[in-house]
Amino acid sequence: AQKITQTQPGMFVQEKEAVTLDCTYDTSDPSYGLFWYKQPSSGEMIFLIYQGSYDQQNATEGRYSLNFQKARKSANLVISASQLGDSAMYFCAMREPRRGGSNYKLTFGKGTLLTVNP
Amino acid sequence: GAGVSQSPSNKVTEKGKDVELRCDPISGHTALYWYRQSLGQGLEFLIYFQGNSAPDKSGLPSDRFSAERTGGSVSTLTIQRTQQEDSAVYLCASSIGGGYGYTFGSGTRLTVV
Repeated sequence: AQKITQTQPGMFVQEKEAVTLDCTYDTSDPSYGLFWYKQPSSGEMIFLIYQGSYDQQNATEGRYSLNFQKARKSANLVISASQLGDSAMYFCAMREPRRGGSNYKLTFGKGTLLTVNP
Repeated sequence: GAGVSQSPSNKVTEKGKDVELRCDPISGHTALYWYRQSLGQGLEFLIYFQGNSAPDKSGLPSDRFSAERTGGSVSTLTIQRTQQEDSAVYLCASSIGGGYGYTFGSGTRLTVV
C-alpha cells in the first residue's frame, strides 16, 4: 500500500489565485512528520513546509500553508497568490519514527505538476 | 560546504560499465541519504547512513548497487554492470542527526546507452 498518495498528476491555476495540492498518507505510528518540497525544472529539491503530527496549529510559511487534517490523514498544501515562478513539481513526503534505531528516511508521493498561467 | 554537492552532474555510460556517483554532504550533518528519481516519478529511497551505525540498505534495488561513506562525510554510490533501467537522477540529501532539515543536492543525471 502506498504510504503517500498525491492524486493530482497535474494542476493548473491562474496567476494570483490560490491553489490546493492534495496529499493523503498512511501510517499507524502516532509520531510522524510531513513535508512538502518543490522541484522546479532545474531539478533541485526545495523544502517548503513541515508539519509534525503533534503540532496543534497548521504550519504556515509565507504564501504556503499546510491544511493538516489528522483524522482524515491528509496534509494538503495551499499556495496563496500564485506566481509564475511557482510552476514546478510538488512532492509530499512523510518521515516515520525510527525503526530499530536506524531509520529516519522520507517516503515521497509521486508528485503534482503545477502550472501557473499568466 | 554551504550545500550538498554531487558529482558529476551528468553521466552518460555504456550498458555494462560501472559508474561511481559522489555526494559531499553539508559539514556536520551526520545523516546521509541516497534517492533515485526516474523520469516523471517520485523519489525512491535507496540507502541511509547515520553516523557510525550500520547503513539501512533496504532500498537498494539489486546487488549491483552499493554505497559507502568514508569518515562520516563523503559518500559514493556505485552501480556495477549498468543497465538501461538504471537511467535516472540520483539525489543525495543530508541532515543533522536523522529526521529533520533535509537538504538535497542537485543530483546526478545518469544515462545508460
